[in-house]
Amino acid sequence: DTAVSQTPKYLVTQMGNDKSIKCEQNLGHDTMYWYKQDSKKFLKIMFSYNNKELIINETVPNRFSPKSPDKAHLNLHINSLELGDSAVYFCASSQGTANTGELFFGEGSRLTVL
Amino acid sequence: AQTVTQSQPEMSVQEAETVTLSCTYDTSESDYYLFWYKQPPSRQMILVIRQEAYKQQNATENRFSVNFQKAAKSFSLKISDSQLGDAAMYFCAPNAGGTSYGKLTFGQGTILTVHP
Repeated sequence: DTAVSQTPKYLVTQMGNDKSIKCEQNLGHDTMYWYKQDSKKFLKIMFSYNNKELIINETVPNRFSPKSPDKAHLNLHINSLELGDSAVYFCASSQGTANTGELFFGEGSRLTVL
Repeated sequence: AQTVTQSQPEMSVQEAETVTLSCTYDTSESDYYLFWYKQPPSRQMILVIRQEAYKQQNATENRFSVNFQKAAKSFSLKISDSQLGDAAMYFCAPNAGGTSYGKLTFGQGTILTVHP
């Protein structure tokens, strides 16, 4: 069983469209994250949820809206897609709070905006 | 804000040889964790090794070990007996410490090529 799964893995869409990426983890973790990896492979945190509560919200355009229906799921909705949104989006999860261990990453969702 | 520097954009090593990837970081926290992740062409981010900043002993995981110098804020990764499957992009990532849940700051990455 995949520990952290994301769908879709690939997404090609037109500028201006709205799209969503879904993430589910079966590890029983209480914290989930979205990270963005740009074309230069630079990885940066976007959001984090702990038990469905938003705890990290980096400087991200408000076109990006995370939603966590329960602690096993964290979805990312993007409105009015722009060319610069093309990237690989990684979902991750971890157990516990501060100074804890590793993040478990999904396989990433490659978003291409044309 | 944390900064992380991986000064080697690319490194190469012969199979069975040893290679060291460097990483320096800046943090105001005294207690934090540091990680090395690898990202093979499959894109999956895989944890290689973890170090707790309050522990003086360097972490070791099979062929992977770190040289952690807290005062110098240096965290290098040594890969011994390199294998073809070690070829990947390697990222150094300290976490923010305090109450920042899993907020990792990633370095720019080092592409490791392993020659047979």
